[in-house]
Amino acid sequence: GESVGLHLPTLSVQEGDNSIINCAYSNSASDYFIWYKQESGKGPQFIIDIRSNMDKRQGQRVTVLLNKTVKHLSLQIAATQPGDSAVYFCAEIKETQGGSEKLVFGKGMKLTVNP
Amino acid sequence: DTGVSQDPRHKITKRGQNVTFRCDPISEHNRLYWYRQTLGQGPEFLTYFQNEAQLEKSRLLSDRFSAERPKGSFSTLEIQRTEQGDSAMYLCASSWAGNEQFFGPGTRLTVL
Repeated sequence: GESVGLHLPTLSVQEGDNSIINCAYSNSASDYFIWYKQESGKGPQFIIDIRSNMDKRQGQRVTVLLNKTVKHLSLQIAATQPGDSAVYFCAEIKETQGGSEKLVFGKGMKLTVNP
Repeated sequence: DTGVSQDPRHKITKRGQNVTFRCDPISEHNRLYWYRQTLGQGPEFLTYFQNEAQLEKSRLLSDRFSAERPKGSFSTLEIQRTEQGDSAMYLCASSWAGNEQFFGPGTRLTVL
């Protein structure tokens, strides 16, 4: 079946370093992807999204790259801060049989930023 | 606070009991979603409302689960005859049409 998954379950970085979180997806028809950040005890929080007609999108300290050829998505966090410590999920928007949209999440990747 | 709210935040119950969770979406949002999340996993879609109409239900939603959104505003998720396998975080999200989904803090259910 279709799935969205992450390559690495954990990532530990030093404060100030750049972080890269990778994600693979299997549905080549997917056209919209989102990165979420989830802190302990909280719901997922939108970070950045990208549509399939783009290769790259930048936000504040974050960049998402999309490689449709290999069905790979990555999230880059510049100058990682302790507040970035969280679990990160990539998610795909998938149309349901009822014509609505649902999020299909991959497994989380825990980012730990050491001061 | 105008975000999505959920109540209760934590619920501990004994197997076989019924539980009900509430979600209050962002007021102008017409779409409301329920997801279930187990430890270390991403949230899994359960069901979706557009206004008061329940338009989609996942196969994860067994007949012990029922969700309502009677006035197109808040929603409730009820689990009857709870089982230990129901232990999870239940997340609610809302959106306006097909735009970004905003998540609530979730209700953590523990079934003993």
